[in-house]
Amino acid sequence: GAVVSQHPSRVICKSGTSVKIECRSLDFQATTMFWYRQFPKKSLMLMATSNEGSKATYEQGVEKDKFLINHASLTLSTLTVTSAHPEDSSFYICSARPSARNAEKLFFGSGTQLSVL
Amino acid sequence: DAKTTQPNSMESNEEEPVHLPCNHSTISGTDYIHWYRQLPSQGPEYVIHGLTSNVNNRMASLAIAEDRKSSTLILHRATLRDAAVYYCILSRNAGNMLTFGGGTRLMVKP
Repeated sequence: GAVVSQHPSRVICKSGTSVKIECRSLDFQATTMFWYRQFPKKSLMLMATSNEGSKATYEQGVEKDKFLINHASLTLSTLTVTSAHPEDSSFYICSARPSARNAEKLFFGSGTQLSVL
Repeated sequence: DAKTTQPNSMESNEEEPVHLPCNHSTISGTDYIHWYRQLPSQGPEYVIHGLTSNVNNRMASLAIAEDRKSSTLILHRATLRDAAVYYCILSRNAGNMLTFGGGTRLMVKP
């Protein structure tokens, strides 16, 4: 089955530093990828939609200068949390939609637990 | 996308069938019904989806009411590994962006 690899799985950083999270579709091409965040005991919240070769579309309330998304190839999207602060600590999850026209489901990465000290 | 309503939590005994309900009374004619589940500390994984007819796959069955205002995910024989949060989601197109609600936390007792 299709696999989405997300790296790193866990990161601890100091306040003020930037953290990059990678999301790769290993055996399929993904024109569109989605980034979610999830707080403990809560549901997933969509942050942005990432389209290969174009600017990401951010959900209301999500700062585009804070959460930089790059989707430079059909198999890789990255989320950079810039100048991270403790309130950015969360579980970040990516998902990928296969480029095939009959794609019927999304495939999710295993998530990145970010802890900002 | 239309909203779905699910119970917050359910309990099941191991090796017994589990029926997870979902209400979606404002579903539109083109909305697909998706089910994903999220195991602890993992990203969600696809379970099943359908439009009008009941669907079966190796993981589960999806029973869709005739008026499409509700659906039920059926796990035929729950195992401990099925303990997860199950999300029922409506999407205008299959494979499109998904908006997650609260889901149902399924607990499986040995």
